[in-house]
Amino acid sequence: DVKVTQSSRYLVKRTGEKVFLECVQDMDHENMFWYRQDPGLGLRLIYFSYDVKMKEKGDIPEGYSVSREKKERFSLILESASTNQTSMYLCASSLFGRQREYFGPGTRLTVT
Amino acid sequence: GQQVMQIPQYQHVQEGEDFTTYCNSSTTLSNIQWYKQRPGGHPVFLIQLVKSGEVKKQKRLTFQFGEAKKNSSLHITATQTTDVGTYFCAVMDSNYQLIWGAGTKLIIKP
Repeated sequence: DVKVTQSSRYLVKRTGEKVFLECVQDMDHENMFWYRQDPGLGLRLIYFSYDVKMKEKGDIPEGYSVSREKKERFSLILESASTNQTSMYLCASSLFGRQREYFGPGTRLTVT
Repeated sequence: GQQVMQIPQYQHVQEGEDFTTYCNSSTTLSNIQWYKQRPGGHPVFLIQLVKSGEVKKQKRLTFQFGEAKKNSSLHITATQTTDVGTYFCAVMDSNYQLIWGAGTKLIIKP
């Protein structure tokens, strides 16, 4: 069974801090994604990656960057956290061709 | 870009009543996926529909894909407390990106 893990379930950071959210999948999936989920707004794609060292902007990339140095790991970076980045962050992975996505448990980030 | 409209946003039912959520697109879809997210959980894949007019069942859940491949529905018969959560549809655009519906939250009245 595919397993997607995220480094933290809950995280509290201060405004201006640099924040790293890490995601690891164990099924050799090519594709990895970072979403944020806010009440009433559904799932919004921040960044995705089709391969190691590749990254593509999603719908809301502003204020975020990503890193994919190894196939199994996809990191989301908030260079300078702001209160409007308080949200639930979900990582997902899938095989090439965007078949079903497998999600991690999510990280609820609060920026104060 | 491609959009998918999902309605309703919320549906309140008594336990034992039926529930339906709909997804509609203005363009023909190659396929549609359905996911369920329990409260406090993450989205979990339920099914993918590919063929025009396709109907698939999973126990009390019935999934339909329209003949024109522009709409889809998920129907739950005789809801139970374990059905509570948000149901999302997701469609693939021409760039192989998944476009997500806003979700329908199933709430069971006490």
